[in-house]
Amino acid sequence: DGGITQSPKYLFRKEGQNVTLSCEQNLNHDAMYWYRQDPGQGLRLIYYSQIVNDFQKGDIAEGYSVSREKKESFPLTVTSAQKNPTAFYLCASSSLGDPGTEAFFGQGTRLTVV
Amino acid sequence: AQSVTQPDIHITVSEGASLELRCNYSYGATPYLFWYVQSPGQGLQLLLKYFSGDTLVQGIKGFEAEFKRSQSSFNLRKPSVHWSDAAEYFCAVGTGTASKLTFGTGTRLQVTL
Repeated sequence: DGGITQSPKYLFRKEGQNVTLSCEQNLNHDAMYWYRQDPGQGLRLIYYSQIVNDFQKGDIAEGYSVSREKKESFPLTVTSAQKNPTAFYLCASSSLGDPGTEAFFGQGTRLTVV
Repeated sequence: AQSVTQPDIHITVSEGASLELRCNYSYGATPYLFWYVQSPGQGLQLLLKYFSGDTLVQGIKGFEAEFKRSQSSFNLRKPSVHWSDAAEYFCAVGTGTASKLTFGTGTRLQVTL
């Protein structure tokens, strides 16, 4: 089945450590996105990529990094510089070219800093 | 920059009652508007979208939404709510072909039996 796979579902990190969240899609989508979700704040865009080896900062990129070496994969690294990393992280993908094209979402990764 | 406002944080309705969730957007050009639903701890599922044409849009699970340009609104409706509709609902606006979405803060729907 086509879709977006995020792993792991739950992740615990000690303060000061970097951690990488995985996102893989087999929908042949060009664009991929990372959103952060906090209670009462909706979803906020961290990074997005429209093509391999290229990506742009979203609204809250500080303390995060990404790479796009393959079309199917868009991992997110939460660095020790992110002051408040505990959140629910959602990866999404979409095709490009058609106005109003929808984004498809993964099941999310819940990151907790302990 | 575009923005989305969902004025109701939490709504409770009885099963079988009608539902309307409000969404107002701010965007200078023709918006692409979406409603997504999220069950606890899960990803988002698209309910419906609008980008042109008929301003009344039908979606999955019996939901519909009406685009009103004069009011900058895209309210979601359902004539009869089922207990399984309890979830969080997000309105979003997209721009151009990038599908980069700006989300509202969500409305949590509780359904009483």
